[in-house]
Amino acid sequence: LAKTTQPISMDSYEGQEVNITCSHNNIATNDYITWYQQFPSQGPRFIIQGYKTKVTNEVASLFIPADRKSSTLSLPRVSLSDTAVYYCLVGDAAAGNKLTFGGGTRVLVKP
Amino acid sequence: NAGVTQTPKFRVLKTGQSMTLLCAQDMNHEYMYWYRQDPGMGLRLIHYSVGEGTTAKGEVPDGYNVSRLKKQNFLLGLESAAPSQTSVYFCASSYFTRNPGTETDTQYFGPGTRLTVL
Repeated sequence: LAKTTQPISMDSYEGQEVNITCSHNNIATNDYITWYQQFPSQGPRFIIQGYKTKVTNEVASLFIPADRKSSTLSLPRVSLSDTAVYYCLVGDAAAGNKLTFGGGTRVLVKP
Repeated sequence: NAGVTQTPKFRVLKTGQSMTLLCAQDMNHEYMYWYRQDPGMGLRLIHYSVGEGTTAKGEVPDGYNVSRLKKQNFLLGLESAAPSQTSVYFCASSYFTRNPGTETDTQYFGPGTRLTVL
């Protein structure tokens, strides 16, 4: 499974846009990039997934360059409730859907 | 739908004791997983199952056993608990994996079981 590298922590303020970049230099052809969000004392929750270019849903956007060696999760206009740990994962549907969680990025949104 | 539920929510064990954690899902998912999460760390896969009656080892399987006798249930057992197994345990489930090159199926997580081994 491809490994990922992302910043340990980030601080932001309410109303700002938060961008978290994840490096996955060894991503395989069949791998998809998935982001999960985890609040304290809760299990992770799926946010967004993509393969290439840009994906947008009601929660976030995911930007993936052509070489797919990195990806950026964008959270528009964050609020205090967006304070959480965000995990970037890469995985292949054929590999038993196993996902490897790294340390994640701890995002703190301040008033 | 209750989604993924875990029993118990909290447990304290003494070294050497045994226990079983129960995970149940009502989404008819084929795949189920057990993870552990140590303080300030990411999740690590212990064991997983791709269907009823099947199990496989994950990243950190030592000291744990699992069983998937029914599609909706996935049990995690600790035969002889050790302080190093103090952690929060999460169960997850997902749909049957599709063909290579298609998106990975979303994993749905339970609320976790906080286990302390003294």
